[in-house]
Amino acid sequence: KQEVTQIPAALSVPEGENLVLNCSFTDSAIYNLQWFRQDPGKGLTSLLLIQSSQREQTSGRLNASLDKSSGRSTLYIAASQPGDSATYLCAVSNTGGFKTIFGAGTRLFVKA
Amino acid sequence: DTEVTQTPKHLVMGMTNKKSLKCEQHMGHRAMYWYKQKAKKPPELMFVYSYEKLSINESVPSRFSPECPNSSLLNLHLHALQPEDSALYLCASSGPTVNTEAFFGQGTRLTVV
Repeated sequence: KQEVTQIPAALSVPEGENLVLNCSFTDSAIYNLQWFRQDPGKGLTSLLLIQSSQREQTSGRLNASLDKSSGRSTLYIAASQPGDSATYLCAVSNTGGFKTIFGAGTRLFVKA
Repeated sequence: DTEVTQTPKHLVMGMTNKKSLKCEQHMGHRAMYWYKQKAKKPPELMFVYSYEKLSINESVPSRFSPECPNSSLLNLHLHALQPEDSALYLCASSGPTVNTEAFFGQGTRLTVV
């Protein structure tokens, strides 16, 4: 059974810092891994999708890497801003690609 | 247009009521999903429709009944819910292949009284 773990559970940093969020998964037979952002009480916003054959994806200040063999992904956020404050969720898809398992998330607070 | 629209945004219902949640997307996605999310927990998959056919049911109680009338619409019919069913219900879509980005709606905040 796939299990997804995110570390740390919460993180508070001053504005401008570069930071790394970690995601690990137990079953390496994944189709893809996706990082999401969720603001309180809201839906999920897709940040980056990494296919199982890819090693990384970049979008603006965000960079996500994937090491399938070790069951790990990282989300790198450069020059953090207060507007980045949110919960970041990692999700992996396997079992035909439609069954998505989420990690518990990392709650990020960026102080101005 | 990368939007998944869910209605209503908020719903309060009694335990004897029947209500429906609606979800719509016009991205040509052929997979649509319902998730349930309790406070401070990750979303949990409930149902997956692929090409308008139910492909995954995560052992969800029968008081939740999904329906996919066409490729753009997904409904979740609710009947005889319990207070513990109160949660944020999220709809998502992806496709047409499995290796595509999933997009989520803003959710329906459901309270069962």
